[in-house]
Amino acid sequence: GENVEQHPSTLSVQEGDSAVIKCTYSDSASNYFPWYKQELGKRPQLIIDIRSNVGEKKDQRIAVTLNKTAKHFSLHITETQPEDSAVYFCAASLNWANNLFFGTGTRLTVIP
Amino acid sequence: DAMVIQNPRYQVTQFGKPVTLSCSQTLNHNVMYWYQQKSSQAPKLLFHYYDKDFNNEADTPDNFQSRRPNTSFCFLDIRSPGLGDAAMYLCATSGLAGDDEQFFGPGTRLTVL
Repeated sequence: GENVEQHPSTLSVQEGDSAVIKCTYSDSASNYFPWYKQELGKRPQLIIDIRSNVGEKKDQRIAVTLNKTAKHFSLHITETQPEDSAVYFCAASLNWANNLFFGTGTRLTVIP
Repeated sequence: DAMVIQNPRYQVTQFGKPVTLSCSQTLNHNVMYWYQQKSSQAPKLLFHYYDKDFNNEADTPDNFQSRRPNTSFCFLDIRSPGLGDAAMYLCATSGLAGDDEQFFGPGTRLTVL
C-alpha cells in the first residue's frame, strides 16, 4: 500500500516569512495529492490539491509543487500570518480509488 | 449551512459498553468515510461506503462496525470499546471519483472510562 512521509513534524516561523512542508510517497501510481489544514479541535479542511498532470499549482499565498519522478510534493505558504497556525496534513491517493493516505502532519506555528 | 453533521460531538462511554456514532450529510455524496484520529496523529481510515458497497480497511479491528441505511446517514458502532479506542472519530463524504474533495464533519470525541 501507499506510504506517505511528511517533514518536518513541527515548524515555527516568524510572521511574514515563508513556510515549506515536504512529503514523499511510495506508490508511483498515486496521482492525486491534497493538503488539509486542521486547526485545534476542528475538522480537516482542504486548502489546495494537485493532480499528477501538473507540476505546480498556486492559490494566493499557498502553492503546491509536485515532482513525480522523485515522488515528492511540497506545500509553500508565503507571507505567513498567525491564522496560518495549524496542523497541516498531506495525502496521496489514486484518482480511481477512494483511499486517502495521510502524512503524519506538520504543526505550524506562526509567531507574531 | 452544515454539510456533514456528526452527533454527538462528545461521547463518554464505559469500557466494554457499546456505543454508536452517527453522521449525516446534505451534500448527496455517494461516498462516506469513517476515520479515527488520535491525538497528534493523522486521520486513519476505518471504512468507506461507495454507495452501498462497504469497504473495510484490512487493519480495522472487528470491534468496529458500520451501517449506511441510506445515502444521507452512516453509523459507526463500537461493540466493546477499549481504552485504546478513545479518539476523535471523523466522518467525511465525497463524490465518486478518488480525486473529489473529501468534506469532513466536525468529529465526535469519544472518551472511554
